[in-house]
Amino acid sequence: KAGVTQTPRYLIKTRGQQVTLSCSPISGHRSVSWYQQTPGQGLQFLFEYFSETQRNKGNFPGRFSGRQFSNSRSEMNVSTLELGDSALYLCASSIDRGPDIQYFGAGTRLSVL
Amino acid sequence: GESVGLHLPTLSVQEGDNSIINCAYSNSASDYFIWYKQESGKGPQFIIDIRSNMDKRQGQRVTVLLNKTVKHLSLQIAATQPGDSAVYFCAENDTGGGNKLTFGTGTQLKVEL
Repeated sequence: KAGVTQTPRYLIKTRGQQVTLSCSPISGHRSVSWYQQTPGQGLQFLFEYFSETQRNKGNFPGRFSGRQFSNSRSEMNVSTLELGDSALYLCASSIDRGPDIQYFGAGTRLSVL
Repeated sequence: GESVGLHLPTLSVQEGDNSIINCAYSNSASDYFIWYKQESGKGPQFIIDIRSNMDKRQGQRVTVLLNKTVKHLSLQIAATQPGDSAVYFCAENDTGGGNKLTFGTGTQLKVEL
């Protein structure tokens, strides 16, 4: 069974732009969560989607948003990029309502110049 | 300005020895805990999990201990191998429902030959 797939793997943007990251969960998994990883703040929860609905949200500004499609695939969007948004963005999927094991993808490395 | 990274505690062990990685968690109401291993350039990889109604769980070469009285988790790795070298994170799941992990800062495990 294929693991969690995130695209693209690397991305370079400039301040003020927006970016969309994609995540395909493990087949059959219905919950998708997003995390931000930086050297300064570590791993921080962004939001979780289940059955196309945002179920949990972390403490990030409204510039960070996401959505989930009927096939459980998810996207996250960051608008008006800031230098501090440079990070590894990780997606994790879980089979059901939770709490349960979350399986992570390799991440998307975003650099904001 | 320059970003200051989190200071990761480091544990150095000899190949073949047992390793013990400790973690303090913050929320006494958390009911699910999980350990991940992260190698450079990869996403976190699931190692073992434990629910709050247990105090010990064993996997292949790994054991997790949970002490709810002092809010402490530990991961024991038996017969540590060079391939175990990585950063190890403990995480607790919020009891509000769903999958929302709060991660610790991580411990760098270095296995010396």
